Amino acid sequence: EVQLLESGGGLVNPGGSLRLSCAASGFPFSSYAMKWVRQAPGQGLEWISGISGSGVSKFYTDSVRGRFTISRDNSNNTLYLEISSLRVEDTAVYYCAKESRDYGYLDYWGRGTPVTVSS
Amino acid sequence: SSGLIQDPAVSVALGQTVRVTCRGDSLEGFYASWYQQKPGQAPTLVMYGRDKRPSGIPDRFSGSSSGDTASLTISGVQAEDEADYYCNSRDNSGNGHVFGTGTKVTVL
Repeated sequence: EVQLLESGGGLVNPGGSLRLSCAASGFPFSSYAMKWVRQAPGQGLEWISGISGSGVSKFYTDSVRGRFTISRDNSNNTLYLEISSLRVEDTAVYYCAKESRDYGYLDYWGRGTPVTVSS
Repeated sequence: SSGLIQDPAVSVALGQTVRVTCRGDSLEGFYASWYQQKPGQAPTLVMYGRDKRPSGIPDRFSGSSSGDTASLTISGVQAEDEADYYCNSRDNSGNGHVFGTGTKVTVL
């Protein structure tokens, strides 16, 4: 059974940093690209970052490029998102998701970890 | 890249049919996928590759696409289908993703 479990969220001051983790199990982790998607309170879903199975290729949406860093540890089946220079508008639930090999859809999602940026 | 546009909300009577549409230029080159999200829960995949259903998704859910528009149709709507629905595709670069603005489906 595929499982994705995010952790690391919390309350942080503007300008602060956090490292989010996503522990994966139930599938050959290194064979699949992974994504981070966030959802601000009462808002829609926003794709923010993706990483290839090998970890070599990384992609970001414009609003987080230069502030967020995606990485993965394939030996420990864990995906990471380092988030820094946080802004109030980064407040959201952050989900990790597994990408399918074909069609590019997101077939499994974690339950999410909440990040609140506030002074 | 440009986003995907969905109607904000739609209402449907129990047992009737509802179509949720998604429009954007990325759909000219990439298939849409659809996600259902109930309050307080993570999204779940309900349709991909234009008209493919994941295991466990009822066959009352169907998908279609033409040009820059993709559609999710729910036939014989059940009360448990009340949720927010989001479309998604790769963006025009092919490296990122773009989500639709979301449609709240209310079952009357």
